[in-house]
Amino acid sequence: NAGVTQTPKFRILKIGQSMTLQCTQDMNHNYMYWYRQDPGMGLKLIYYSVGAGITDKGEVPNGYNVSRSTTEDFPLRLELAAPSQTSVYFCASSYPGPREYEQYFGPGTRLTVT
Amino acid sequence: QKEVEQDPGPLSVPEGAIVSLNCTYSNSAFQYFMWYRQYSRKGPELLMYTYSSGNKEDGRFTAQVDKSSKYISLFIRDSQPSDSATYLCAMKGYGNKLVFGAGTILRVKS
Repeated sequence: NAGVTQTPKFRILKIGQSMTLQCTQDMNHNYMYWYRQDPGMGLKLIYYSVGAGITDKGEVPNGYNVSRSTTEDFPLRLELAAPSQTSVYFCASSYPGPREYEQYFGPGTRLTVT
Repeated sequence: QKEVEQDPGPLSVPEGAIVSLNCTYSNSAFQYFMWYRQYSRKGPELLMYTYSSGNKEDGRFTAQVDKSSKYISLFIRDSQPSDSATYLCAMKGYGNKLVFGAGTILRVKS
């Protein structure tokens, strides 16, 4: 049982490049989330999904896109990378409803845009 | 005003000390209150969870929620170097997503 896995662990992008951050969970969780964490700013929700085929915007969705074709996978796409997207990105998953507070996080992807 | 306020620290204490970590919030709709622990270069993990007001104890850790003051606390007794981490408070109301505090960096010196 690997939990939530994320790839890559690190990436350096040039301004204007694109990339996809991968996230997979093996706990059969319906709900999945993407957060970004900046120093001193806590975790900000980018996008979330309540099941395959259903996604919705979080607090800071601009510059990102997601898809959810299976229960296990929830990739995050960055189009036209900007320096403001330099951050640590965490994927998380949870059961729905009352247990949504119990989120399981991946190890994170450290992204630098220069 | 941020929805959730948390002093980022760092907070440095000697081994064996009692640690108090706190958050304040402004949204009276919050009903679920959590503490996540995040070790360096790792993802956060759920440490404690409290529903509505009251106290909850788990080993050396005690979580307190005072909804009248919109104030939550995490106490760590007999702190250990292995407790050195960033502690994030998080809250949610019914049907809403988690809102996280900025996190407090704790360093326990041996």
